[in-house]
Amino acid sequence: QVQLQQSGPGLVKPSQTLSLTCAISGDSVSSNSAAWNWIRQSPSRGLEWLGRTYYRSKTYNEYAVSVKSRISINPDTSKNQFSLQLKSVTPEDTAVYYCARGGTLAVPGFDPWGQGTLVTVSS
Amino acid sequence: QSVLTQPPSASGTPGQRVTISCSGSSSNIGSNTVNWYQQLPGTAPKLLIYSNNQRPSGVPDRFSGSKSGTSASLAISGLQSEDEADYYCAVWDDSLTGWVFGGGTKLTVL
Repeated sequence: QVQLQQSGPGLVKPSQTLSLTCAISGDSVSSNSAAWNWIRQSPSRGLEWLGRTYYRSKTYNEYAVSVKSRISINPDTSKNQFSLQLKSVTPEDTAVYYCARGGTLAVPGFDPWGQGTLVTVSS
Repeated sequence: QSVLTQPPSASGTPGQRVTISCSGSSSNIGSNTVNWYQQLPGTAPKLLIYSNNQRPSGVPDRFSGSKSGTSASLAISGLQSEDEADYYCAVWDDSLTGWVFGGGTKLTVL
């Protein structure tokens, strides 16, 4: 079955860049039917979809309006993983970050999810 | 404020049937299919219902989903103590060109 394993630091200083990676097993980041998403959860903002990357003859990226100017999601086909970079973070970016497969016609729901990474933005 | 509106809490006794609502608009629920997630304390959300009313393999048939117009509902019949969790609806929003979630409903089994 498909499994997602997240990695990355749990503490980031304000104004710096948050970077997380999601390693995929049981599927491919280059799949023509899946999409690879980042979602975060905080008490103040609830569950918030941040964006996704997917491959349909070429790589596409789509980002939430709320973070569009600061976010980048990139696939790494050599390692079968994808990454999240969020620039210029503030304490409001403190949240549990999840990666998840899905949100497409072939895989309509987000399934599975990574284990989650609590990222705290603090000096 | 979430784009999708859910009641913050719901409750029921073991064996009862409980429904959780999710209200949206023409650009999200009115145009696209709805998914539901269950989140147990300290864990990642788990897909419970997809495409309005489909259950992934392994999800008991006590869980069911429906959609009408710009609203959707999750029903849980034969309530069990292990159903105590947070439940979220989610749908693609055509205006925002992104996925949106409800604020979540905390289900308590009395």
